[in-house]
Amino acid sequence: EPEVTQTPSHQVTQMGQEVILRCVPISNHLYFYWYRQILGQKVEFLVSFYNNEISEKSEIFDDQFSVERPDGSNFTLKIRSTKLEDSAMYFCASLRGTNTGELFFGEGSRLTVL
Amino acid sequence: QQPVQSPQAVILREGEDAVINCSSSKALYSVHWYRQKHGEAPVFLMILLKGGEQKGHEKISASFNEKKQQSSLYLTASQLSYSGTYFCGTEYSSGTYKYIFGTGTRLKVLA
Repeated sequence: EPEVTQTPSHQVTQMGQEVILRCVPISNHLYFYWYRQILGQKVEFLVSFYNNEISEKSEIFDDQFSVERPDGSNFTLKIRSTKLEDSAMYFCASLRGTNTGELFFGEGSRLTVL
Repeated sequence: QQPVQSPQAVILREGEDAVINCSSSKALYSVHWYRQKHGEAPVFLMILLKGGEQKGHEKISASFNEKKQQSSLYLTASQLSYSGTYFCGTEYSSGTYKYIFGTGTRLKVLA
């Protein structure tokens, strides 16, 4: 069964460093997402991406964040100058683009900022 | 704009029933339900698109009210495997494909 894969599964970084989280969405899907979940809390929408550009973004997704689909398969989230409060689980998800509305999530990348 | 879920948490014995609600201050285009087990990614359960719709099977089903501002998830004769956190995912406008998740409901089923 096709799946969304994310790397790394866990990354530890020092405050102020840049991190890149990578995702390989399901190949025939059209919409890609990043969500964030601080431990034990709600799943927060960060950004959606369609047709090689940002479709929607939340107020959380400020200039510190950027997304790219550099090679037609990988979908990356870059976090510049990380802060302690960026520590969270980051989920990538993809959507085929029909009214089924089923988001397929990856297993997540846990980011720990020290 | 985030939908509110109630209750925040519920503890059940195996075989008991539960209802989880998801409420929005304005009409939704669609609502989906997801279950997330501890340490795992959310997994899709079902989507509702039409006001007044009911969907699912006898064990896990959901409804969407006529005004499309509230959805409920019904878990009947709960099993241990139902334990997890349940989220509603909501889309406010057709075609935006922007899904905002509700506040979450933690469900624990005890033997």
